[in-house]
Parts: sequence; C-alpha cells; structure tokens
Amino acid sequence: NAGVTQTPKFQVLKTGQSMTLQCAQDMNHEYMSWYRQDPGMGLRLIHYSVGAGITDQGEVPNGYNVSRSTTEDFPLRLLSAAPSQTSVYFCASSYGHRTGELFFGEGSRLTVL
Amino acid sequence: AQSVTQPDIHITVSEGASLELRCNYSYGATPYLFWYVQSPGQGLQLLLKYFSGDTLVQGIKGFEAEFKRSQSSFNLRKPSVHWSDAAEYFCAVGGGDTDKLIFGTGTRLQVFP
Repeated sequence: NAGVTQTPKFQVLKTGQSMTLQCAQDMNHEYMSWYRQDPGMGLRLIHYSVGAGITDQGEVPNGYNVSRSTTEDFPLRLLSAAPSQTSVYFCASSYGHRTGELFFGEGSRLTVL
Repeated sequence: AQSVTQPDIHITVSEGASLELRCNYSYGATPYLFWYVQSPGQGLQLLLKYFSGDTLVQGIKGFEAEFKRSQSSFNLRKPSVHWSDAAEYFCAVGGGDTDKLIFGTGTRLQVFP
C-alpha cells in the first residue's frame, strides 16, 4: 500500500523556472492538501481540495497553482520560482477532511537559486 | 480565522521524566484539535485528536492530551518520556465549518539519557 507518494524528493531550480511537484494517493481520499515547512514557521497550508474539480486557497497560496482532475492526483505548480519558495513541501490526504487523519507524503525538498 | 500557538520552540527532558507540550488555539466555533509528530526527515504522523466528548483523549505511544475550552488549550502530556520520543511535535486546529487544518510552529523535543 503506497499511501501518499510525492515526486521528486529533491529539486534545484533557478529563479524564474517553472516546475510541478507531483502528489498521488491510492487510498481514495477526497481531501488533499499541500503544505510548506520552513524553520521556525511550522507547516503552512498552500492549497487544498475537497474533491475532484474543487480547489481552494490556504494560508500562503501566492506563487502556486493547483488542479484536481482526478481523486488520486493533486499536483502543485510553481510558474516562476523565487528564492522565497525554497522549502520542504508536504502533500497530505484524508478520507474525512474535517475530522479525519491526514496522511502525509515523505516531502519534497526544493531549492531555488 | 483559526490559529495555533505553540509557545515552546525547544524542550529538553531527561529520559523517564514527565512531559507537557503546550498548545493554545483560536477558533470561533467548536474546534477539532490534533497533535502530530514528525521524526527527522519524515512526514507527520497523527498522535491523537479531539472532536467532542471526553476532554481527555488518549493517543498512540502513551501520549494523552486535555482539551480546556476556558483556556483555549490542548496540551500534550506523557508521564514518562523515552529516548525514541525525541522529535518535533505539531498542534493543529480545524473545525466543523472549515476545510482548513492549520498547524502551529512546532516544539522540538530533545531527550537526554
């Protein structure tokens, strides 16, 4: 049982480049979300989705786009990377988005030069 | 908007000592409260959660937490800490009228033998 799978695990970008962080879950969870983790800042919610075709902004959405065309996948897009987006990114999913346990991926470490 | 405060950035305890990690939340309605643990280089794992009912909740690994509405707190406790408990601990708040789960900044626990 794979759970929540994030790719890539590590990525280095130059300022202005674009990229997509992939997230897939095989638990048929309706709810999926993206967080970024920075030292001293904890986890901050970027975007979330309560089902296919439905997405919404979290605490720090600027500079990031998401879409949810299937239940399984929830990619996070950086259209023009900035050094401030250097972070560790976590995807998480839940079967009950308000009361359920969030299952986290192992994280993707992104460095923007 | 909901928010979480974890006032202790770093706590050091001796193995076998008791532990209490503090969490204060802000939320306009009845909160849903969670504690997660993150081992180095890993994603987060749920320790326990509170939605309603008994204000003292039991979790995995011998942890418990008590919800105190009057103090807007949800402190995590363990009577006897083991070296394997060294990790970072995050408190999070959600609720019945929000799809967002907001995390605190975390408390890093160090355990001395």
